[in-house]
Amino acid sequence: KQEVTQIPAALSVPEGENLVLNCSFTDSAIYNLQWFRQDPGKGLTSLLLIQSSQREQTSGRLNASLDKSSGRSTLYIAASQPGDSATYLCAVRIQAGTALIFGKGTTLSVSS
Amino acid sequence: DAGVIQSPRHEVTEMGQEVTLRCKPISGHNSLFWYRQTMMRGLELLIYFNNNVPIDDSGMPEDRFSAKMPNASFSTLKIQPSEPRDSAVYFCASSGPGGPSTEAFFGQGTRLTVV
Repeated sequence: KQEVTQIPAALSVPEGENLVLNCSFTDSAIYNLQWFRQDPGKGLTSLLLIQSSQREQTSGRLNASLDKSSGRSTLYIAASQPGDSATYLCAVRIQAGTALIFGKGTTLSVSS
Repeated sequence: DAGVIQSPRHEVTEMGQEVTLRCKPISGHNSLFWYRQTMMRGLELLIYFNNNVPIDDSGMPEDRFSAKMPNASFSTLKIQPSEPRDSAVYFCASSGPGGPSTEAFFGQGTRLTVV
């Protein structure tokens, strides 16, 4: 059974710092991996999707990498800002047409 | 497109009452997912549909929960009778028929409180 783990559960950094959020999954046979952002009391916003054949995806200050063989993905946030404060969720899909399996998220706080 | 639309946004009900949550997926999407989010358990899959057909309902907690998708543009999640432990945020998500580049998109959720 696929399980997704995100460590740490919470992270506090000063503004301007570069940071890495970690996601690990137990079964390397995945279809794709998606990173989401969730603000308090809000829904999930998709940030990046990495297909199983890809190694990384970039969007602005965000870069997500995927290492299937080791069952890991990282989300790199450059030059963090207070507006980046939110919970970041990692989710994997094991086959086409199946549901996403989520980690419990990392809650990020960026102080000015 | 307006995205995935859920209603109501908030629901407060008394224990024992029937609750119906509604979802309109993104037009053209053929997969629809219902998740429940709590502080203790995070996001849990309840059920998902492909082409309006329920594929996996193993996450539905018990017989008090039921879900339907009568057509490609509408789904409901019903709880009858509701209990205080059902209090959570319920999310609906949808995704399209494309390949591995297909993203899932979430609605804003329904916050359910059962008193």
